[in-house]
Amino acid sequence: AQKITQTQPGMFVQEKEAVTLDCTYDTSDPSYGLFWYKQPSSGEMIFLIYQGSYDQQNATEGRYSLNFQKARKSANLVISASQLGDSAMYFCAMSLNTGFQKLVFGTGTRLLVSP
Amino acid sequence: DTEVTQTPKHLVMGMTNKKSLKCEQHMGHRAMYWYKQKAKKPPELMFVYSYEKLSINESVPSRFSPECPNSSLLNLHLHALQPEDSALYLCASSQDGQGAGGYTFGSGTRLTVV
Repeated sequence: AQKITQTQPGMFVQEKEAVTLDCTYDTSDPSYGLFWYKQPSSGEMIFLIYQGSYDQQNATEGRYSLNFQKARKSANLVISASQLGDSAMYFCAMSLNTGFQKLVFGTGTRLLVSP
Repeated sequence: DTEVTQTPKHLVMGMTNKKSLKCEQHMGHRAMYWYKQKAKKPPELMFVYSYEKLSINESVPSRFSPECPNSSLLNLHLHALQPEDSALYLCASSQDGQGAGGYTFGSGTRLTVV
C-alpha cells in the first residue's frame, strides 16, 4: 500500500521568498507518480506539478519545482518568489502507474504568505 | 474543455432527504472518482469508475450510491445521511490515472446534513 507523509502542518514565508514543503512517500511498487495540489479556501484542488518515478530530471512548472530524491523517497515542493495568493493548503499525493489507481493524499501543509 | 463541473456547489439536506450530486467532464477521460474531504483533512477516496463500471468501492456505507450513466457523467445519490457525512465532496476524472495529465478535480460540493 502507498503512504504519503507531510510532517509540516503549517509553514510561514514572507512574500518574495522561497519555501520548501516536505513530502515523503512509501511504496514497494517501482512505477508511480507523485503530484502536488494546491487547495485554496474555496475548496478546488489545483494541480501544480507531477513527477514520474522513472523521470531523470526534477519537474519544474513556473515558480514550482519538485525536488525528487528517489533513494530517500522524498518529493519536496519548492515555491520560489512566494506571492500572497500562494496562501493555501498544499497536498502531496501519489498514485501507482498500473491501471486506474487511486490518488492517495498526505495530510497537507497550510502555507501562509505574509507581506 | 478541460474542466470537471460539479453541481450543486452547496447543498443542505435533512437526514430523511434524498438528494444527488452531479459531476460532468467532456475531456474523454476513462475514469471518474468521488472523494470525500472532511474539514482540515485530506481527501479520501470513495469510488472509482473506469470505463463506466465501478472498479473501486472503499467500503462506503450504502447510504451513498454512485451511478455512472455514461462516460461523461457521474452521480452520487444520497439517502438517509447523518450529520457526520457533512463534508466537501470532490469529483475527479483521469484519462488513465497516470502521468502528468493525472487527475482533474472539480470545485466540489459542500454538503451539510442537518
